[in-house]
Amino acid sequence: GAGVSQSPRYKVAKRGQDVALRCDPISGHVSLFWYQQALGQGPEFLTYFQNEAQLDKSGLPSDRFFAERPEGSVSTLKIQRTQQEDSAVYLCASSPPGRGNQPQHFGDGTRLSIL
Amino acid sequence: TQLLEQSPQFLSIQEGENLTVYCNSSSVFSSLQWYRQEPGEGPVLLVTVVTGGEVKKLKRLTFQFGDARKDSSLHITAAQPGDTGLYLCADHGSSNTGKLIFGQGTTLQVKP
Repeated sequence: GAGVSQSPRYKVAKRGQDVALRCDPISGHVSLFWYQQALGQGPEFLTYFQNEAQLDKSGLPSDRFFAERPEGSVSTLKIQRTQQEDSAVYLCASSPPGRGNQPQHFGDGTRLSIL
Repeated sequence: TQLLEQSPQFLSIQEGENLTVYCNSSSVFSSLQWYRQEPGEGPVLLVTVVTGGEVKKLKRLTFQFGDARKDSSLHITAAQPGDTGLYLCADHGSSNTGKLIFGQGTTLQVKP
Protein backbone atom coordinates (compact mmCIF):
# COMPACT_ATOMS: atom_id res chain seq x y z
CA GLY A 1 0.00 0.00 0.00
CA ALA A 2 0.97 3.62 -0.31
CA GLY A 3 3.09 5.19 2.35
CA VAL A 4 2.99 8.71 3.74
CA SER A 5 3.14 11.19 0.88
CA GLN A 6 4.43 14.74 1.22
CA SER A 7 4.35 17.56 -1.30
CA PRO A 8 6.09 19.45 -2.61
CA ARG A 9 9.39 17.59 -2.18
CA TYR A 10 11.30 20.85 -2.51
CA LYS A 11 10.17 24.39 -1.92
CA VAL A 12 12.18 27.57 -2.39
CA ALA A 13 10.68 30.81 -1.13
CA LYS A 14 11.84 34.34 -0.53
CA ARG A 15 11.99 35.65 3.00
CA GLY A 16 8.63 37.03 3.97
CA GLN A 17 6.55 34.78 1.73
CA ASP A 18 3.98 32.33 3.05
CA VAL A 19 4.34 28.60 2.31
CA ALA A 20 2.05 25.57 2.66
CA LEU A 21 3.29 22.01 2.99
CA ARG A 22 1.00 19.03 2.48
CA CYS A 23 0.93 15.60 4.07
CA ASP A 24 -1.17 12.62 2.94
CA PRO A 25 -1.01 10.00 5.71
CA ILE A 26 -1.51 6.29 5.29
CA SER A 27 -5.21 5.52 4.94
CA GLY A 28 -6.79 4.66 8.28
CA HIS A 29 -4.01 6.18 10.36
CA VAL A 30 -5.52 8.20 13.15
CA SER A 31 -2.43 9.95 14.47
CA LEU A 32 -0.42 12.46 12.47
CA PHE A 33 2.79 14.20 13.51
CA TRP A 34 4.87 17.01 12.03
CA TYR A 35 8.60 17.27 12.72
CA GLN A 36 11.27 19.78 11.68
CA GLN A 37 14.76 18.50 10.84
CA ALA A 38 17.74 20.81 10.47
CA LEU A 39 20.66 19.67 8.34
CA GLY A 40 22.64 16.91 10.05
CA GLN A 41 20.35 16.87 13.10
CA GLY A 42 17.57 14.68 14.41
CA PRO A 43 13.93 15.60 13.81
CA GLU A 44 12.22 17.86 16.36
CA PHE A 45 8.53 17.57 17.16
CA LEU A 46 6.24 20.34 16.00
CA THR A 47 2.63 19.24 16.40
CA TYR A 48 0.30 16.24 16.75
CA PHE A 49 -3.21 15.44 15.52
CA GLN A 50 -5.57 12.70 16.52
CA ASN A 51 -8.09 12.62 13.68
CA GLU A 52 -9.00 16.27 13.13
CA ALA A 53 -8.14 17.40 16.65
CA GLN A 54 -4.82 19.12 17.22
CA LEU A 55 -3.93 17.77 20.64
CA ASP A 56 -0.38 19.04 21.00
CA LYS A 57 1.20 22.06 19.34
CA SER A 58 3.87 22.63 21.93
CA GLY A 59 6.69 22.28 19.40
CA LEU A 60 5.60 25.00 17.00
CA PRO A 61 8.40 27.58 17.20
CA SER A 62 6.27 30.68 16.77
CA ASP A 63 2.81 31.90 15.90
CA ARG A 64 3.93 32.07 12.27
CA PHE A 65 3.52 28.28 12.18
CA PHE A 66 0.04 26.88 11.78
CA ALA A 67 -1.16 23.32 11.08
CA GLU A 68 -4.55 21.90 10.28
CA ARG A 69 -6.20 18.58 9.48
CA PRO A 70 -9.84 19.57 8.90
CA GLU A 71 -11.23 16.18 7.84
CA GLY A 72 -8.93 13.96 9.84
CA SER A 73 -6.92 12.87 6.81
CA VAL A 74 -4.74 15.27 4.80
CA SER A 75 -2.81 17.80 6.87
CA THR A 76 -1.27 21.12 5.90
CA LEU A 77 1.55 22.92 7.69
CA LYS A 78 1.57 26.62 6.92
CA ILE A 79 4.40 29.02 7.66
CA GLN A 80 3.67 32.71 7.37
CA ARG A 81 6.22 35.47 6.75
CA THR A 82 9.01 32.94 6.34
CA GLN A 83 12.46 33.64 7.74
CA GLN A 84 15.84 32.11 6.89
CA GLU A 85 15.89 30.06 10.09
CA ASP A 86 12.78 28.25 8.83
CA SER A 87 14.97 26.48 6.25
CA ALA A 88 14.82 22.78 7.11
CA VAL A 89 13.27 19.48 6.11
CA TYR A 90 9.70 19.13 7.34
CA LEU A 91 8.72 15.53 8.00
CA CYS A 92 5.24 14.14 8.45
CA ALA A 93 4.53 10.82 10.15
CA SER A 94 1.35 8.84 10.75
CA SER A 95 0.52 5.91 12.97
CA PRO A 96 -2.43 3.51 13.17
CA PRO A 97 -4.93 3.29 16.01
CA GLY A 98 -4.18 0.92 18.85
CA ARG A 99 -3.25 0.62 22.50
CA GLY A 100 -0.03 2.25 23.52
CA ASN A 101 2.45 3.95 21.25
CA GLN A 102 2.16 2.70 17.70
CA PRO A 103 5.06 2.79 15.22
CA GLN A 104 5.29 5.98 13.20
CA HIS A 105 5.62 5.82 9.42
CA PHE A 106 7.48 8.78 7.97
CA GLY A 107 7.16 10.51 4.64
CA ASP A 108 10.24 11.61 2.71
CA GLY A 109 9.79 15.21 3.79
CA THR A 110 9.64 18.62 2.18
CA ARG A 111 12.96 20.44 1.95
CA LEU A 112 12.25 24.13 2.47
CA SER A 113 14.84 26.73 1.54
CA ILE A 114 14.26 30.38 2.40
CA LEU A 115 16.37 32.85 0.43
CA THR B 1 12.83 17.70 29.25
CA GLN B 2 14.44 14.45 28.18
CA LEU B 3 17.66 14.78 26.15
CA LEU B 4 19.11 12.03 23.96
CA GLU B 5 22.79 12.23 23.18
CA GLN B 6 24.32 10.14 20.41
CA SER B 7 27.98 9.41 19.76
CA PRO B 8 29.97 9.59 17.68
CA GLN B 9 28.40 12.33 15.62
CA PHE B 10 30.16 11.16 12.45
CA LEU B 11 31.84 7.89 11.51
CA SER B 12 33.64 6.98 8.29
CA ILE B 13 34.87 3.40 7.89
CA GLN B 14 35.89 0.89 5.24
CA GLU B 15 33.62 -1.89 4.04
CA GLY B 16 33.98 -4.97 6.23
CA GLU B 17 34.81 -3.14 9.47
CA ASN B 18 32.74 -3.38 12.63
CA LEU B 19 31.36 -0.37 14.47
CA THR B 20 29.30 0.64 17.47
CA VAL B 21 27.23 3.78 17.99
CA TYR B 22 25.73 4.90 21.26
CA CYS B 23 22.63 6.63 22.58
CA ASN B 24 22.40 8.00 26.13
CA SER B 25 19.39 9.55 27.78
CA SER B 26 19.08 12.10 30.54
CA SER B 27 16.17 10.07 31.94
CA VAL B 28 14.88 6.50 31.79
CA PHE B 29 13.64 5.44 28.38
CA SER B 30 10.00 4.46 27.97
CA SER B 31 10.45 2.64 24.66
CA LEU B 32 13.61 3.29 22.71
CA GLN B 33 13.54 3.14 18.95
CA TRP B 34 16.38 3.08 16.43
CA TYR B 35 15.87 4.51 12.93
CA ARG B 36 18.01 4.74 9.81
CA GLN B 37 17.55 7.68 7.48
CA GLU B 38 19.04 7.82 4.01
CA PRO B 39 19.60 11.13 2.20
CA GLY B 40 16.38 12.57 0.82
CA GLU B 41 14.20 10.06 2.65
CA GLY B 42 12.33 9.83 5.92
CA PRO B 43 13.52 7.80 8.91
CA VAL B 44 12.76 4.09 8.76
CA LEU B 45 12.21 2.16 11.98
CA LEU B 46 14.78 -0.58 12.61
CA VAL B 47 13.83 -1.82 16.08
CA THR B 48 12.01 -0.99 19.32
CA VAL B 49 13.48 -2.02 22.68
CA VAL B 50 11.60 -1.81 25.94
CA THR B 51 13.12 -4.10 28.56
CA GLY B 52 16.34 -3.31 30.43
CA GLY B 53 19.17 -5.59 29.31
CA GLU B 54 17.32 -6.53 26.13
CA VAL B 55 19.33 -7.55 23.08
CA LYS B 56 17.82 -7.67 19.60
CA LYS B 57 19.44 -8.76 16.36
CA LEU B 58 18.52 -7.73 12.84
CA LYS B 59 20.84 -9.50 10.39
CA ARG B 60 24.25 -7.81 10.95
CA LEU B 61 22.82 -5.24 13.40
CA THR B 62 22.79 -5.90 17.15
CA PHE B 63 20.89 -3.56 19.47
CA GLN B 64 21.48 -3.51 23.21
CA PHE B 65 19.46 -1.78 25.89
CA GLY B 66 21.22 -0.92 29.14
CA ASP B 67 20.05 -2.50 32.38
CA ALA B 68 19.14 0.89 33.80
CA ARG B 69 17.24 1.78 30.60
CA LYS B 70 19.17 5.00 30.11
CA ASP B 71 21.53 3.89 27.39
CA SER B 72 21.57 1.83 24.23
CA SER B 73 24.03 0.77 21.57
CA LEU B 74 23.88 -0.34 17.98
CA HIS B 75 26.64 -2.63 16.72
CA ILE B 76 27.09 -3.35 13.01
CA THR B 77 29.21 -6.30 11.95
CA ALA B 78 31.04 -6.29 8.62
CA ALA B 79 29.61 -2.95 7.49
CA GLN B 80 28.57 -2.57 3.86
CA PRO B 81 28.12 0.56 1.72
CA GLY B 82 24.36 0.00 1.94
CA ASP B 83 24.58 0.67 5.68
CA THR B 84 25.50 4.30 4.96
CA GLY B 85 23.03 6.74 6.48
CA LEU B 86 21.99 8.71 9.54
CA TYR B 87 21.27 6.51 12.58
CA LEU B 88 18.81 8.03 15.01
CA CYS B 89 17.65 6.92 18.42
CA ALA B 90 14.29 8.15 19.68
CA ASP B 91 12.04 7.77 22.69
CA HIS B 92 8.44 8.58 23.53
CA GLY B 93 9.47 9.87 26.92
CA SER B 94 6.66 10.82 29.26
CA SER B 95 4.42 11.95 26.43
CA ASN B 96 0.95 10.46 26.19
CA THR B 97 0.55 11.72 22.63
CA GLY B 98 3.11 9.42 21.05
CA LYS B 99 5.44 12.19 19.96
CA LEU B 100 9.06 11.16 19.60
CA ILE B 101 12.16 12.80 21.05
CA PHE B 102 15.17 12.19 18.79
CA GLY B 103 18.88 12.27 19.36
CA GLN B 104 21.00 14.33 16.96
CA GLY B 105 22.04 11.19 15.09
CA THR B 106 25.22 9.46 13.99
CA THR B 107 26.14 9.89 10.33
CA LEU B 108 27.75 6.69 9.07
CA GLN B 109 29.70 6.51 5.85
CA VAL B 110 30.90 3.08 4.67
CA LYS B 111 33.42 3.25 1.87
CA PRO B 112 33.70 0.38 -0.64
